[in-house]
Parts: sequence; C-alpha cells; structure tokens
Amino acid sequence: NAGVTQTPKFRILKIGQSMTLQCTQDMNHNYMYWYRQDPGMGLKLIYYSVGAGITDKGEVPNGYNVSRSTTEDFPLRLELAAPSQTSVYFCASRDQGVSNQPQHFGDGTRLSIL
Amino acid sequence: AQSVTQPDIHITVSEGASLELRCNYSYGATPYLFWYVQSPGQGLQLLLKYFSGDTLVQGIKGFEAEFKRSQSSFNLRKPSVHWSDAAEYFCAVGASPNFGNEKLTFGTGTRLTIIP
Repeated sequence: NAGVTQTPKFRILKIGQSMTLQCTQDMNHNYMYWYRQDPGMGLKLIYYSVGAGITDKGEVPNGYNVSRSTTEDFPLRLELAAPSQTSVYFCASRDQGVSNQPQHFGDGTRLSIL
Repeated sequence: AQSVTQPDIHITVSEGASLELRCNYSYGATPYLFWYVQSPGQGLQLLLKYFSGDTLVQGIKGFEAEFKRSQSSFNLRKPSVHWSDAAEYFCAVGASPNFGNEKLTFGTGTRLTIIP
C-alpha cells in the first residue's frame, strides 16, 4: 500500500516557467489537499478537493491551479513560476466516508524558483 | 477564524528526560485536534488526535496529549525521550469531520533536539 505519492521530490525552475506537481493516492480517499510549507511557518492550504470534479480554494491559492479528474489524482499546476513560490509542497488525502479519520501526507516536493 | 499557537520554536532535551510541547488553539466550536511529527525530508506522520471523549489521548511512539478546554490547550508529552524523537512537531486544529470537510490550521511547529 503506497499511500500518498508525490512526484517529483525535487525540482528547480526558472522564473516564468510552468510545471505540474503530481499527487496520487491508492486509498480511494475522496478528500485531497495541497499545502505549502515555508521555513519557520506551518502548513498553508492552497487548494482542496472533496471528490472528482470538485475543487475549491484554500488559504493561499494565488498562482496555482488544480484539477481532479479522477479519485486517485490531484495535480497542482504552477503556470508562471515566481520566486515567492519557492517552498516545500505537500499533498494529503482523507477518507471522509469514515468518521474521525486523519489526513495522510505524502513525502513532499521541494521546489526552488531561481 | 481558527488558529494555533506553538510558543516554543526550538526545544532541547536530554535523552531520557521528559518532554512537554505546548499548543494553544482558538476555535469557536468543539475542536478537532492533532499532533503530527515531521522527520527531515519526510512528510507529516500523525502522532495522535482528539475529537471527543477522554481528554487524555494516547498516541504512537509513547506520546500522549491532554485536551484542556478551559485553557484552550492541547499539550504533547512523553515521559522519556529517545534520540529518534528528534524532529519537528506540529499541532493542528480543524472542524469536526462529522460536519463536513475538515480544513486544518497548523501551528508553526516546534523543533525538538535531543542531546546525549
């Protein structure tokens, strides 16, 4: 059971480039989340999804886009990379169908914008 | 709006000594509280959670936490730390999942260093 898998683990981008951070989970969870973690800060919610075809903004959505075409996958897209988006990105999932279940996290993608 | 405060940025403890990490929350209803641990280069792993019932919650790796509503606190404790406990610890608060999607608010974390 792989859980939540994020790719790539590391990436360096130039300002203005675009990329997609991949996230997939094999637990059939309906809720999925994207967070960013900056040094000395807690995790901030970027976007979340309550099921295939449904997404919504979190606390810091500007500069990002998401899609949820399947239950398993929840990619995060950066269209015009900016230095302020240098961060560690975490994807998480949760089964809302079972009460009191926590979020399960991937190992993160470390992204640097130069 | 919900918020979490972890007042200690960095704590150093001797191996074998006891540990308490502080967490204070602000939330308008019954909170859903978590402690997560993050080892370097890793994702977050759930240590324990509280949503109702007994206010003293047992978790993995010998950790426990006590919910004190009157103090809006959810402090994490361990009676005897091991070198492998060195990591970053995050407290988080969210709405009860029984009322829909729970969006967590995380504290800024406490980095734990263990000395021999």
